[in-house]
Amino acid sequence: EAGVVQSPRYKIIEKKQPVAFWCNPISGHNTLYWYLQNLGQGPELLIRYENEEAVDDSQLPKDRFSAERLKGVDSTLKIQPAELGDSAVYLCASSPVRGARTGELFFGEGSRLTVL
Amino acid sequence: GQQVMQIPQYQHVQEGEDFTTYCNSSTTLSNIQWYKQRPGGHPVFLIQLVKSGEVKKQKRLTFQFGEAKKNSSLHITATQTTDVGTYFCAGKTSYDKVIFGPGTSLSVIP
Repeated sequence: EAGVVQSPRYKIIEKKQPVAFWCNPISGHNTLYWYLQNLGQGPELLIRYENEEAVDDSQLPKDRFSAERLKGVDSTLKIQPAELGDSAVYLCASSPVRGARTGELFFGEGSRLTVL
Repeated sequence: GQQVMQIPQYQHVQEGEDFTTYCNSSTTLSNIQWYKQRPGGHPVFLIQLVKSGEVKKQKRLTFQFGEAKKNSSLHITATQTTDVGTYFCAGKTSYDKVIFGPGTSLSVIP
């Protein structure tokens, strides 16, 4: 079974430029998460989807970050414009568990962003 | 705000020694999960604890969930070089949020 697929693995951009990350979750997983991970820290939730609905986006900086999950499968996370402080690894995770229950999160390899 | 803390931040052990990392939440948790992240890798699920006072074992790993459901621990017996990595706890709060701790980085000296 294929795991969570993310692209690109690495991205280097100059500040003020836009960037987008793509995630394909494990087939059949209804819940999809985007996390941000800074070096030496734990993952921080940006947004959680159940199917195509964003059920928790309270931590998403909406002035520059946006996300979508059309058709409830693949998802895209966009940053426009990027700032120096956005340099981090962006992790996508999926879970077969919906609603209030919390099950195992399956993480992708992550997209490492460097903003110059 | 709600926080999940872990100690120690780093631990260096000689191969064969035991290792323990502790996780503490500022609020009562619905459940707690543990993940392992190898250097350069992504977090991989180890286990989930739900019940107050629950203890689970996976070979050399022992996981505990505190009676008050605000703390947890992971103990590794007789560490091996394959145990190297960062161990994260992730607690689910009453507001349905899953909050990761900052992790404990384990180094094993052969």
